[in-house]
Amino acid sequence: DGGITQSPKYLFRKEGQNVTLSCEQNLNHDAMYWYRQDPGQGLRLIYYSQIVNDFQKGDIAEGYSVSREKKESFPLTVTSAQKNPTAFYLCASTKPTGGWGELFFGEGSRLTVL
Amino acid sequence: AQSVTQPDIHITVSEGASLELRCNYSYGATPYLFWYVQSPGQGLQLLLKYFSGDTLVQGIKGFEAEFKRSQSSFNLRKPSVHWSDAAEYFCAVGAMEYGNKLVFGAGTILRVKS
Repeated sequence: DGGITQSPKYLFRKEGQNVTLSCEQNLNHDAMYWYRQDPGQGLRLIYYSQIVNDFQKGDIAEGYSVSREKKESFPLTVTSAQKNPTAFYLCASTKPTGGWGELFFGEGSRLTVL
Repeated sequence: AQSVTQPDIHITVSEGASLELRCNYSYGATPYLFWYVQSPGQGLQLLLKYFSGDTLVQGIKGFEAEFKRSQSSFNLRKPSVHWSDAAEYFCAVGAMEYGNKLVFGAGTILRVKS
């Protein structure tokens, strides 16, 4: 079945460490996104990528980095510069049809900083 | 700036009762509108979407929503709520003029009393 796979589902990190969250899709979608979810704040866009080897900052990109070397993959690195990284992270993808497409989401990764 | 407001953080309804979740948006363009549902610790699932045409749209699980341009609203409704509808609901808005990105509301948590 086609879908979006995020790993790991749960991740614990010590302060000062970088961690990388994986996002893989087999939907043949062009665009991929990373959102951060905090209670009561909805989803906030971190980074997005419309095509391979290109990506743009979202609303809260500071302390995060991404790469898009393959169409199927869009990993997110949470760096030590992110001051409050504990959150639920969601990856999504879409294949715009006629200029817009529905977002499909992964199951999420929960990061906790100890 | 584009924004989405879901005025109700929590809503509690009795099983079998009707439901309306409110969503208001502020966009300087023709919007695309979505409602997503999220169970705890899971990703988001699309309930319905509005791109153009009939302003009353039908979705999955018996949900519907009505786009009212004059009120900048896209409220979600269900005539009879089931216990399995308990979840968090997110309204999201996008527009071609702002790129292929969605802005999400803060969410409404629905509790269902038996």
